Amino acid sequence: AQSVTQPDIHITVSEGASLELRCNYSYGATPYLFWYVQSPGQGLQLLLKYFSGDTLVQGIKGFEAEFKRSQSSFNLRKPSVHWSDAAEYFCAVGARNRDDKIIFGKGTRLHILP
Amino acid sequence: DARVTQTPRDKVTEMGQEVTMRCQPILGHNTVFWYRQTMMQGLELLAYFRNRAPLDDSGMPKDRFSAEMPDATLATLKIQPSEPRDSAVYFCASGPGTSEVGELFFGEGSRLTVL
Repeated sequence: AQSVTQPDIHITVSEGASLELRCNYSYGATPYLFWYVQSPGQGLQLLLKYFSGDTLVQGIKGFEAEFKRSQSSFNLRKPSVHWSDAAEYFCAVGARNRDDKIIFGKGTRLHILP
Repeated sequence: DARVTQTPRDKVTEMGQEVTMRCQPILGHNTVFWYRQTMMQGLELLAYFRNRAPLDDSGMPKDRFSAEMPDATLATLKIQPSEPRDSAVYFCASGPGTSEVGELFFGEGSRLTVL
C-alpha cells in the first residue's frame, strides 16, 4: 500500500522569498503524485500532478514540483511566494494498479510574513 | 461551472443521533471518494466508489458508518449512532476515473459537530 509523509507541519516564509515544501512517498513502483492546496473553509484544489515523463512538472499559480525516484520525493517549489499563497498544502500518492486509491499526507501549513 | 456539491455544510447534533451527509459528484465522473479531515489525523480516506460500486471502505468504522451510491448523482455517508469523536470535516471528491487518475475535485465539505 502506498503512503506519503510531509515532514513539516508548519512553514513560514517572507513574501517574495522562495519556497520548498517536502514530500516523501512509499510505494513499490513509480506512483502517481500530486500536490493539492486548501484555503481555509474550502475543499482541496489540484496544483499539479506527475504521471510519467519529465520529472519536473509545472502547475498552476507558479508552482512546480520535481519527482526524484532515488529519494522517493516530490517536493513542491515556488521561486517567489505571495501573501495569497498562505494555505495548507497536501501531497498525495496514487497507485498504478487501477484501484484509484489516493492517499494524502497530513499537510503543511504555509504562513507568509509581510 | 461543474463542481461537487455537499450537504449539509454544517451539522451540530447530539451523541447517539443519526447523521447523513450527501454528495452530488460532477456529472460524468465515475469515481467518488469520502475523506474525513481532523487536526490530529489529517485527511483520512473512508471509502470510495467506482461506477457506483464500493471498492474500498476499510477506512470506515463498520459498526457505525455506511457509505452508498444509490445512483450516479448521489453519494451518501451515514453515521448511526454518532459519537463526539466523529466530529470532523467530511469531504466528498469525484474524479473522471482511471483515465486521469487522481484528478479529484473536492466539495467544500460538511462540518460535523457531535456534542
